[in-house]
Amino acid sequence: AQKITQTQPGMFVQEKEAVTLDCTYDTSDPSYGLFWYKQPSSGEMIFLIYQGSYDQQNATEGRYSLNFQKARKSANLVISASQLGDSAMYFCAMREVRQFYGQNFVFGPGTRLSVLP
Amino acid sequence: NAGVTQTPKFQVLKTGQSMTLQCAQDMNHEYMSWYRQDPGMGLRLIHYSVGAGITDQGEVPNGYNVSRSTTEDFPLRLLSAAPSQTSVYFCASTSLVGSAYNEQFFGPGTRLTVL
Repeated sequence: AQKITQTQPGMFVQEKEAVTLDCTYDTSDPSYGLFWYKQPSSGEMIFLIYQGSYDQQNATEGRYSLNFQKARKSANLVISASQLGDSAMYFCAMREVRQFYGQNFVFGPGTRLSVLP
Repeated sequence: NAGVTQTPKFQVLKTGQSMTLQCAQDMNHEYMSWYRQDPGMGLRLIHYSVGAGITDQGEVPNGYNVSRSTTEDFPLRLLSAAPSQTSVYFCASTSLVGSAYNEQFFGPGTRLTVL
């Protein structure tokens, strides 16, 4: 079963508008972290934002915010005021912590975002 | 800090050849991992290590070997390259202190083509 689902293979958004990229996850562990990475056409992986499973408030980092709905197991990325440079692949990832050295890091298939001028 | 470095950036191999992808980090991270990225499939974990001398298999380990003799280095060996191993390979590292809240730092990637 997919641990991370990103149902939007591709998204378009007009410059300066907001966009939401969907991510749902599946875990039975109480302790986990959720991450979003950006991969521009140059290929590097850029960390954007994280949310811990015990965090009460939604994470924000500049124009990025994470809409965390724990009961629904969703961790959607919201980009406000889109810019042309936001055009990239976006990956949702989850880090499960089972025991002290038990780590599991899984990635979703990604969403390609295209920002239109 | 150089972060996570990978060499080479590009490599072309013939079927059956062997080679080693190098990965090093200077952040004293305990956890290091190798992923492959194929179109439409995100990143899939090949092998990982939680410290020197400790390695384990990920989701797609067949055809690859790893070892971890030092904290800094985590090479990935292709034993007998096959066209199915054509992919982009990423090395990543993270700290185990604080655990779930630490992101992984990625190297720039190695684009491998097997003919």
